[in-house]
Parts: sequence; C-alpha cells; structure tokens
Amino acid sequence: KQEVTQIPAALSVPEGENLVLNCSFTDSAIYNLQWFRQDPGKGLTSLLLIQSSQREQTSGRLNASLDKSSGRSTLYIAASQPGDSATYLCAVKDRDDKIIFGKGTRLHILP
Amino acid sequence: EAQVTQNPRYLITVTGKKLTVTCSQNMNHEYMSWYRQDPGLGLRQIYYSMNVEVTDKGDVPEGYKVSRKEKRNFPLILESPSPNQTSLYFCASSFGLGTGWGYTFGSGTRLTVV
Repeated sequence: KQEVTQIPAALSVPEGENLVLNCSFTDSAIYNLQWFRQDPGKGLTSLLLIQSSQREQTSGRLNASLDKSSGRSTLYIAASQPGDSATYLCAVKDRDDKIIFGKGTRLHILP
Repeated sequence: EAQVTQNPRYLITVTGKKLTVTCSQNMNHEYMSWYRQDPGLGLRQIYYSMNVEVTDKGDVPEGYKVSRKEKRNFPLILESPSPNQTSLYFCASSFGLGTGWGYTFGSGTRLTVV
C-alpha cells in the first residue's frame, strides 16, 4: 500500500533563506506527483505537477524534483518570503489512479 | 475561469438532519472525488467517480452518499449527520484516469455537526 511521508511536520525559517521541503513515497509505480499549498482553513492550490517521466518542474521561485527510484521528491523555495507561510502537501497518483496525500509540512517564514 | 465550486463554504447543522454539499466543475473532467481533512489525519478520500453514473468508495465512505448524474456535478450527501462528521470537506476533479493529469480542488466546506 502506497504511503506518503512528509518530514518535518513543521518548519520555521528566517525570511530570505532558501529552503527544501521533503516528500517520500513507498511505491515508485506512480503516474505523477503534485505539490500543493494550503493556507489555514482554505482550499488546496496546485503549485507544481511532475510526471513520472520527468525529473523536475519549475515555477518562479519554486522548483520540484522527483527521484522515482528512491521514492523522493523535494520542493525547493528560493528567497523565502512571509507570504510563503502555509502548509505544503505532496500527493502521488498511483497506478490504481488513486491520489495519496502526505500530511503536509507547516512552513512559517519569520519576518 | 476553470474551477471547482463547492457550496456552502460553511455549514452548521444538528445531528440527524440530512444535508447536501454541492460540487461543480467547469473543466469537463471525468474524474471527481470527495475528501475530508481532519487534524493529524490529513486528507482522506470519501468517494470518487470515474465518470457519469460510475461511483466507488474511498477510504472512509461510511455515513456518506454521492451521485453523478451529470459530468459537471458530484454532490455529497449526509443522510443522518453525526458529530464525528464535523470536518473540512474538499471536492476535487481531474481529467481521465491512467494519465499524468493533476487535480484541481474546490475551496472547501467547513461542516460542524452539533
């Protein structure tokens, strides 16, 4: 059974720093991996989608990588800003077309 | 604008009073799904639908019903709500199965059952 883990559960960093969020999954047979952002009590906003055949995707200050063989993905945020404070969730779509979420990393950028 | 629309955004109800949360998408997506989100438990799938008139149970279907009579709509029905169904609910949609398409989520419905 596919399991998705995000460590750490919470992270605080000073504004301006570059940071990396981690996501690991147990079964490498996936169609894609998606990173989402969730503000408190709000919906999920898709940040980046990486297909199983891709190694990375970039959008602005965000870069997501995927290493299927090791079951890992990272979300790199450059030059962090207070507005980046949110919970970041990763989710994999497995070969049964099921999407499995990690429990998220709660990020706090200190002004 | 391409989006998934849920209504209502907030709902407080009493135990046993039937309610429906609506979900509509304007992207012609085949796949739709309902999730609930609870502290410490993350997002758990309730029901999903691969296309019109095709629905199936997710991980936590007890106490819920769904229907998919039209491609764009996927309502979540609580026939007799109980306090343990107090949660934040999300609807999501995606293009066809077995593809690399990602998911689009609605803004959520915060349900409180007293």
